[in-house]
Amino acid sequence: GQQLNQSPQSMFIQEGEDVSMNCTSSSIFNTWLWYKQDPGEGPVLLIALYKAGELTSNGRLTAQFGITRKDSFLNISASIPSDVGIYFCAVDNYGQNFVFGPGTRLSVLP
Amino acid sequence: DTEVTQTPKHLVMGMTNKKSLKCEQHMGHRAMYWYKQKAKKPPELMFVYSYEKLSINESVPSRFSPECPNSSLLNLHLHALQPEDSALYLCASSQAAPDTQYFGPGTRLTVL
Repeated sequence: GQQLNQSPQSMFIQEGEDVSMNCTSSSIFNTWLWYKQDPGEGPVLLIALYKAGELTSNGRLTAQFGITRKDSFLNISASIPSDVGIYFCAVDNYGQNFVFGPGTRLSVLP
Repeated sequence: DTEVTQTPKHLVMGMTNKKSLKCEQHMGHRAMYWYKQKAKKPPELMFVYSYEKLSINESVPSRFSPECPNSSLLNLHLHALQPEDSALYLCASSQAAPDTQYFGPGTRLTVL
């Protein structure tokens, strides 16, 4: 099946620092999504990307859909304690499959 | 309103029990999904309903039986589960399939 890779697997940062994480695939996808999940809760959609090269912001979050359609990155600026959680990328290929990456676990130190 | 609700929040059941998980959305979405998520793993797709018809079944064992009574409701009927079925069960919905999915808070299921 399709496989996504996310890096880093986990990261510890100081409050106020910027964060960058990415998601890659060996296959082309038409929709890239970024979700955040808190413990015991469902994933919450952060940003959806529908067009290769698209750069989209949502508050302190910025994500880009790679021009090769095989990757995406998510940046978080000026991190705060509530940014702690697991960040998943997900891809959708015309409804044939909807797949999540393994996640990046973010910890923010005060 | 981008809310998907799920009940119950927690469920403990024995291997001989029959129980049901419920999911509801009032966003007018026509696609609904069930996912299973084990600890420290990403969600794994189980079923997709599109316009109240089952469109994808990802080779899920028959002890899990989905039902879509109408466009707002999605159930997952559970019977004769195994302890390894213990997980967080997530429901999601989208405008149509495929489209961006919105998730509920999940039901934490424990099978004894």
